[in-house]
Amino acid sequence: GEDVEQSLFLSVREGDSSVINCTYTDSSSTYLYWYKQEPGAGLQLLTYIFSNMDMKQDQRLTVLLNKKDKHLSLRIADTQTGDSAIYFCAESKDYGQNFVFGPGTRLSVLP
Amino acid sequence: NAGVTQTPKFRILKIGQSMTLQCTQDMNHNYMYWYRQDPGMGLKLIYYSVGAGITDKGEVPNGYNVSRSTTEDFPLRLELAAPSQTSVYFCASNQDTSRSTGQYFGPGTRLTVT
Repeated sequence: GEDVEQSLFLSVREGDSSVINCTYTDSSSTYLYWYKQEPGAGLQLLTYIFSNMDMKQDQRLTVLLNKKDKHLSLRIADTQTGDSAIYFCAESKDYGQNFVFGPGTRLSVLP
Repeated sequence: NAGVTQTPKFRILKIGQSMTLQCTQDMNHNYMYWYRQDPGMGLKLIYYSVGAGITDKGEVPNGYNVSRSTTEDFPLRLELAAPSQTSVYFCASNQDTSRSTGQYFGPGTRLTVT
């Protein structure tokens, strides 16, 4: 099956680290993505990881992939109020054109 | 580049009315998609297209139609609007070999059917 699951809400204090988790069921996924959606806007790609990688770091963002447990996480260091948004996990394979999205995690950053 | 543009931004329809949601991209992408976003449900794929003249159904195609006469445009048609079609609709595109860039999304159309 192709189900991507995420918790729906996360609150953190400004300056703390945020960790958003995602689980997926399709082990044949090739790429896994994190998108950010700000209010009233479309989704924007934040980062991605190829399935043969365990970790990817990009400035304040760290993506960890555990293929055995089919678990993906996004860590945002030094979380700022501008990071408040909905974060979507998504997967795709190297065949077909299907991108499967999770329900999104609403991150609230408290001052 | 303007990226992916969608019109209108908002629309209220009465039950049974029809409308077309417009989507245009200027990145010469072959692949285009229509999704609907319901609260807490993520994105559901309605239709997609792998190039001009070719379209295919996604997960939730009932009540919708699409066409792809040019590479740039991918309109979504609702023939007989129903309250269940109240949602936010996103158009997206990507080039077939650029999976590392993910998809590019438009700003969305918020549709209410009453």
